Amino acid sequence: DVRLEESGGGLVTPGGSLRLSCAASGLSFSGFTMNWVRQAPGKGLEWVSSISGSSTLLRYADSVKGRFAISRDNAKNSLFLEMNNLRVEDTAAYFCARGGYPVGVLDYWGLGTLVAVSS
Amino acid sequence: EIVMTQSPATLSVSPGERATLSCRASQTVTTNVAWYQVKPGQAPRFLIYGASTRAPDAPDRFSGSGSGTEFTLTISSLQSEDFATYYCQQYNNWPWTFGQGTKVDIK
Repeated sequence: DVRLEESGGGLVTPGGSLRLSCAASGLSFSGFTMNWVRQAPGKGLEWVSSISGSSTLLRYADSVKGRFAISRDNAKNSLFLEMNNLRVEDTAAYFCARGGYPVGVLDYWGLGTLVAVSS
Repeated sequence: EIVMTQSPATLSVSPGERATLSCRASQTVTTNVAWYQVKPGQAPRFLIYGASTRAPDAPDRFSGSGSGTEFTLTISSLQSEDFATYYCQQYNNWPWTFGQGTKVDIK
């Protein structure tokens, strides 16, 4: 079975940090771009960040650029998102999603992990 | 960035009826549009890519059409498991962007 399992979410105060993880199993990982997508409460989906299979190409939404850092460990089929200087508006469910083919589609998703930023 | 606008925000449909969801892009995205189904507490599901090609596991009651700036997702005969929120996404230009969603609920 294909499984993407996010972890690391929680409650943090503004300005704080969190590190999200995504463990992949049952699917090809190392050759595929991986992504983080978030959904704020009552809102739609927002793409956050992407990392190519070899980690050579990293992309970020303007809303998180300079504060978030994406990385991966292909030996452990794992994806990460380091989130610093968190803001209230970063409150959301964070999903990891595999980038499929054609480039740009998101073919497998996890259940998400909740991040709440509040004082 | 490209803005994707979905309509209507909510669509009330009876089981067995057809549902037609619309998505408009603020500039041309050719056919680089995907559709996803999202249910609370579940992983989002990939349905359509290339505007009209079904994903491998998507049921054939789901179909997509359109090109340029206007796109449609049609569910030919709604099943109970299809009541959900649907999002279009463009992957023609960075950053990839999603519409705000159409919630399909039971009439």
